[in-house]
Amino acid sequence: EAQVTQNPRYLITVTGKKLTVTCSQNMNHEYMSWYRQDPGLGLRQIYYSMNVEVTDKGDVPEGYKVSRKEKRNFPLILESPSPNQTSLYFCASSLGTVGWGKLFFGSGTQLSVL
Amino acid sequence: GEDVEQSLFLSVREGDSSVINCTYTDSSSTYLYWYKQEPGAGLQLLTYIFSNMDMKQDQRLTVLLNKKDKHLSLRIADTQTGDSAIYFCAVGPYNFNKFYFGSGTKLNVKP
Repeated sequence: EAQVTQNPRYLITVTGKKLTVTCSQNMNHEYMSWYRQDPGLGLRQIYYSMNVEVTDKGDVPEGYKVSRKEKRNFPLILESPSPNQTSLYFCASSLGTVGWGKLFFGSGTQLSVL
Repeated sequence: GEDVEQSLFLSVREGDSSVINCTYTDSSSTYLYWYKQEPGAGLQLLTYIFSNMDMKQDQRLTVLLNKKDKHLSLRIADTQTGDSAIYFCAVGPYNFNKFYFGSGTKLNVKP
C-alpha cells in the first residue's frame, strides 16, 4: 500500500532532550517536506527536500534539523526541544518537483515538550 | 511569504450546499489546492485548480477562482455528515519549493 509512515504517533518529552521523528515513504517520491500544525495557524512548512542530499528551509526552520540520505527517508530532528515546539507534525511527499503536485501526508506525530 | 486566509468555522445542515472561502496574497501562485483533514488523520487532496482557470467541477465539488480578487472557494453540493472535517486551502508555485496553507475551516454538518 502506498503510504507515508511517521513514527512515533505520540511523543511526550522534556525540554532539552534530543529526539527524532522518522518519516518514510514507499512511493519513490522525489519531494518530501515537514509541517507543523498549530490551532488557528494552519500548516507551516519547516523544511523540504527536492531530492537526496538536497534540503532547504521552509518558513519556520528554527530549532529543527533534517537530513535526506536516502530517497525514502526524511527524519526530523529536534536537538534541544523547547515547549514552543509542542505541536502536531506532519510529513508529506510528492512524486515530482515541478508543476502541480499532490502531497501525500503521514498520519501525524503529536509532540508535547514539558 | 504568502498569506492564505480562511474563516475558521462553518456549520450547515445535511443536504444543503457548503461554501468555504479562501483568500491569498501572492498573485504568482500557480496552483491552488483544497485538502481535507478528518479527525486523527493527515490531509488528503480533494481537488486543485490552475491559476489560468476560473472554475473546476468534480462531482459534488466546485472550485471557483477569482484571480483579480485573489479569492478561491470550494462549494460542496448536497453536503453529507461524512463531509464533516477541516478543509485547508493551499497555494503553491510552479517550481514546487514552498506550499502555503490556510488555517483550515472546520465544517460541521448537522443531520
